[in-house]
Amino acid sequence: AIQLTQSPSSLSASIGDRVTITCRASQGISSSLAWYQQKPGKAPKVVIYDASSLQSGVPSRFSGSGSGTDFTLTISSLQPEDFATYYCQQSNTYPYTFGQGTKLEIK
Amino acid sequence: EVQLVESGGGLVKPGGSLRLSCAASGFTFSSYYMNWVRQAPGKGLEWVASVSSTGNHIFYSDSVQGRFTISRDNAKNSLYLHMSSLGAEDTAVYFCARESTTWHAFDIWGQGTVVTVSS
Repeated sequence: AIQLTQSPSSLSASIGDRVTITCRASQGISSSLAWYQQKPGKAPKVVIYDASSLQSGVPSRFSGSGSGTDFTLTISSLQPEDFATYYCQQSNTYPYTFGQGTKLEIK
Repeated sequence: EVQLVESGGGLVKPGGSLRLSCAASGFTFSSYYMNWVRQAPGKGLEWVASVSSTGNHIFYSDSVQGRFTISRDNAKNSLYLHMSSLGAEDTAVYFCARESTTWHAFDIWGQGTVVTVSS
């Protein structure tokens, strides 16, 4: 199975900060990567699909990049509603896999 | 409104069985691959199983292969997960999720149903 390794596992940041989360795949997955945001007690919500495409309704401060094995999610200016846990997920090859998550907390 | 609603969760004894359901509405269910994803308490997301739009192609994670069965009834706009030989490690919130037909992502998720395996 393809392993996805996210870093960091947790991150403390302030309102207005620019933050970057990385996701590394154990083998190439082209651009078949999505990023999800999950808040406590809620279902995940897709923010980025196909590595770099912004899901409809998601603020433009979110962006994604990468292909092959290395991917990033960037939030350009953190807002209070962005504090959540973020997961990457590959759907290039079964079994589909998720990264272990990155918890973004308020500093 | 596009919606997925899971049901069927509950408390089950180790070694027992349970069937989860996911009712879809607001979209053409028969056009989409569907998935089950679970999340153990305090843990991350784990993909469990996937079924093609027609039900002809099915995939499982290694952790549930041979114990869980995913199925669908397109006439009833419903997705199912039959779980057997349940163990404590299967305790989780189970989400159903729609896989986009045009891009790589799960674009619609249900609210989840809780499965607790305990004696």
